Amino acid sequence: EAGVVQSPRYKIIEKKQPVAFWCNPISGHNTLYWYLQNLGQGPELLIRYENEEAVDDSQLPKDRFSAERLKGVDSTLKIQPAELGDSAVYLCASSRSWGNNEQFFGPGTRLTVL
Amino acid sequence: AQTVTQSQPEMSVQEAETVTLSCTYDTSENNYYLFWYKQPPSRQMILVIRQEAYKQQNATENRFSVNFQKAAKSFSLKISDSQLGDTAMYFCAFRFSTQGAQKLVFGQGTRLTINP
Repeated sequence: EAGVVQSPRYKIIEKKQPVAFWCNPISGHNTLYWYLQNLGQGPELLIRYENEEAVDDSQLPKDRFSAERLKGVDSTLKIQPAELGDSAVYLCASSRSWGNNEQFFGPGTRLTVL
Repeated sequence: AQTVTQSQPEMSVQEAETVTLSCTYDTSENNYYLFWYKQPPSRQMILVIRQEAYKQQNATENRFSVNFQKAAKSFSLKISDSQLGDTAMYFCAFRFSTQGAQKLVFGQGTRLTINP
């Protein structure tokens, strides 16, 4: 069974440019999470989806960040425009909505904003 | 508020030694789960071990075991016979239910280095 897939693995952009990250969760996992992980810190939840619905986006900076999961499978996280402080690793995770709903993490996208 | 604290930013031991990573948490919840995750350099985070708060028996997974002290809100990870492949960031995490959803809160992490 394939794990959570994320792309790109690395992205370097200049400030004020837009950037997008893509995530494909484990097949059958209804719940999808986007986390922000600053250097030397633990992940912090940005947004959680149940199928195609964003049910917890309280930590998402909505002035520049947006996310979508149109068909309830893949998801995209976008930043526009990027700022220097957005340099971090963006992790995607998925889980089942019931039973043993352990979260499985993707490898992350390391963003560097110059 | 639910918080998780890892007071050891870095630790280093020799291969085959035993090492214990500390974690404390703060919560008013009664039902919750605790986890230790491992994040190797440039690799994805994987679950090492989990503990249900209602279980008194400490969880064990091969060389990994926990010391869960519910009253003290302490959840330490012991790695026995450490191996070079254990080198990684280790995150303690706490999971609780709120508004019908499961939320996962992570500590700051401990960077563990196993030296040959």
